[in-house]
Amino acid sequence: DTEVTQTPKHLVMGMTNKKSLKCEQHMGHRAMYWYKQKAKKPPELMFVYSYEKLSINESVPSRFSPECPNSSLLNLHLHALQPEDSALYLCASSTGGLRYNSPLHFGNGTRLTVT
Amino acid sequence: EDKVVQSPLSLVVHEGDTVTLNCSYEVTNFRSLLWYKQEKKAPTFLFMLTSSGIEKKSGRLSSILDKKELFSILNITATQTGDSAIYLCAVEALSSGTYKYIFGTGTRLKVLA
Repeated sequence: DTEVTQTPKHLVMGMTNKKSLKCEQHMGHRAMYWYKQKAKKPPELMFVYSYEKLSINESVPSRFSPECPNSSLLNLHLHALQPEDSALYLCASSTGGLRYNSPLHFGNGTRLTVT
Repeated sequence: EDKVVQSPLSLVVHEGDTVTLNCSYEVTNFRSLLWYKQEKKAPTFLFMLTSSGIEKKSGRLSSILDKKELFSILNITATQTGDSAIYLCAVEALSSGTYKYIFGTGTRLKVLA
């Protein structure tokens, strides 16, 4: 079990569906991240939120839309995805800020299949 | 462009062997280097290194960082089958006023009984 909780664990969606991935942490962390991981590849950064503001978007297609409603929650809204978007989506958090650093704490991920 | 490279890409050893995994990096505004172990799901944290030459140790695992030569090594002694996993190196670097973590390609370790 991790201190970062992701739901759902598995998701199958069609290319015309709209769905959302959810992530929650209660460690008081102020930076939250979305990573995408394909099989046998390292995690690839998608977005970073720092103090609830989007600070990094790694040129992610607009069919992925992140949202940070408050410091504990992070969502990833999905719309009109392609089969090649099938992957493990990992949420992570860290203390954030320029003064302090901490390891990334990962959730267990959502395994997404786009049909 | 920020880059983190790990070697070897994969490794097969027998129980009891000692392994050394390598991670080299080229990033601007380095802050820390982290090692993770990934089995089936999320990466689990092993070590964070910020200062050069200081060894971090936990049981059979240890790691050291060389900030001058821009690399780190992860050692595992007396390997066990439970050590079979992908070992990921990540470097924390400043980008657009925010720190981000850049992962290397990983080393896939298989320990045979």
